[in-house]
Amino acid sequence: DQQVKQNSPSLSVQEGRISILNCDYTNSMFDYFLWYKKYPAEGPTFLISISSIKDKNEDGRFTVFLNKSAKHLSLHIVPSQPGDSAVYFCAAQGGSEKLVFGKGTKLTVNP
Amino acid sequence: NAGVTQTPKFRILKIGQSMTLQCAQDMNHNYMYWYRQDPGMGLKLIYYSVGAGITDKGEVPNGYNVSRSTTEDFPLRLELAAPSQTSVYFCASRVRGTNTEAFFGQGTRLTVV
Repeated sequence: DQQVKQNSPSLSVQEGRISILNCDYTNSMFDYFLWYKKYPAEGPTFLISISSIKDKNEDGRFTVFLNKSAKHLSLHIVPSQPGDSAVYFCAAQGGSEKLVFGKGTKLTVNP
Repeated sequence: NAGVTQTPKFRILKIGQSMTLQCAQDMNHNYMYWYRQDPGMGLKLIYYSVGAGITDKGEVPNGYNVSRSTTEDFPLRLELAAPSQTSVYFCASRVRGTNTEAFFGQGTRLTVV
């Protein structure tokens, strides 16, 4: 039973354009959501997060939007750069100490 | 500033062998986690710990054991290795409380042949 779902295994965008990565969750107890970025042969690194009391959080080129009623969040990267090419994981926590991850979306930004 | 350190980085095991994956953090974090990443399958939680002497199972604990005798260390033990345990293993830690991010190690790539 997958509690955090990233339904797009991959996404390809042109440099300078917007990248939108989506994530859905099923557990109503989740109240904190995170995005991690992972390069090959490295561990995931924290990118940005959002609490359930907010609907938007911005950090430079990265913005996360949360729609609690739809149990949906998205990560926007504007403008996209080739160095953003990586696998992006959505994660959620709440109701316990566990941190639950989605399967990831591989983003490719083409020059 | 070491953060989360995992050893070894790579290992090949024969079926039936045992080994311990080491994880150490120097951030005084209470919470520690072990995940495995299989291709296209995301990160699955194996075991976690909320403090020294306290451990609990995650989604996929079978075939593994953990201990947490100190705040800094959280080793993962594989007994009787099987090909299904071929994976990349990540250790992570975070500070106690809600709304805090986890920090990950570089991973251990394990192959069981």
